[in-house]
Amino acid sequence: NAGVMQNPRHLVRRRGQEARLRCSPMKGHSHVYWYRQLPEEGLKFMVYLQKENIIDESGMPKERFSAEFPKEGPSILRIQQVVRGDSAAYFCASSPQGTEGYTFGSGTRLTVV
Amino acid sequence: GESVGLHLPTLSVQEGDNSIINCAYSNSASDYFIWYKQESGKGPQFIIDIRSNMDKRQGQRVTVLLNKTVKHLSLQIAATQPGDSAVYFCAENIIAGGFKTIFGAGTRLFVKA
Repeated sequence: NAGVMQNPRHLVRRRGQEARLRCSPMKGHSHVYWYRQLPEEGLKFMVYLQKENIIDESGMPKERFSAEFPKEGPSILRIQQVVRGDSAAYFCASSPQGTEGYTFGSGTRLTVV
Repeated sequence: GESVGLHLPTLSVQEGDNSIINCAYSNSASDYFIWYKQESGKGPQFIIDIRSNMDKRQGQRVTVLLNKTVKHLSLQIAATQPGDSAVYFCAENIIAGGFKTIFGAGTRLFVKA
């Protein structure tokens, strides 16, 4: 049973481009969470999704950021018109029922140049 | 509560000694707490959890203590090994339209051989 799969592992974008980060949850997990981590800092909650629904997006910036978790396929975190301040590691986690500690992927490291 | 933009505090211990990592949490209504270990370049890894109706829980070489009166968690690692070197995060579950996990700021553990 593969763990939480995130791709790409590393992503380089120029300012103004779009970044798409993908997360495939563990088999049987229908709850997905996205976190952002700056160097030497903790993980900051961004968004919580279930299949086809956004449950809590209180940590998402109001502009340029969006997330989805379609009925089929991975969850996508999309950042439009990236700026240097978006450079960070973005981690996805999944859980089966949303009530226990979850499993993290290895993250996508986004660098904006 | 949410992490803040500070460099991580560091705990340096000698191999074989016991380590104690402390954490203050923010929400008195939180009922579930987790410790995660994060190695360089990897996602957080679950270590041990505890529910609010307990004040102590033991795993293999690790013990978590919960003091709800002062909203304090600690992680004790017995006979610390070089492989324990990592950043350790405490996390609390918050129920808010579903649930989400909020991470503390983290502590870097450095084990000297």
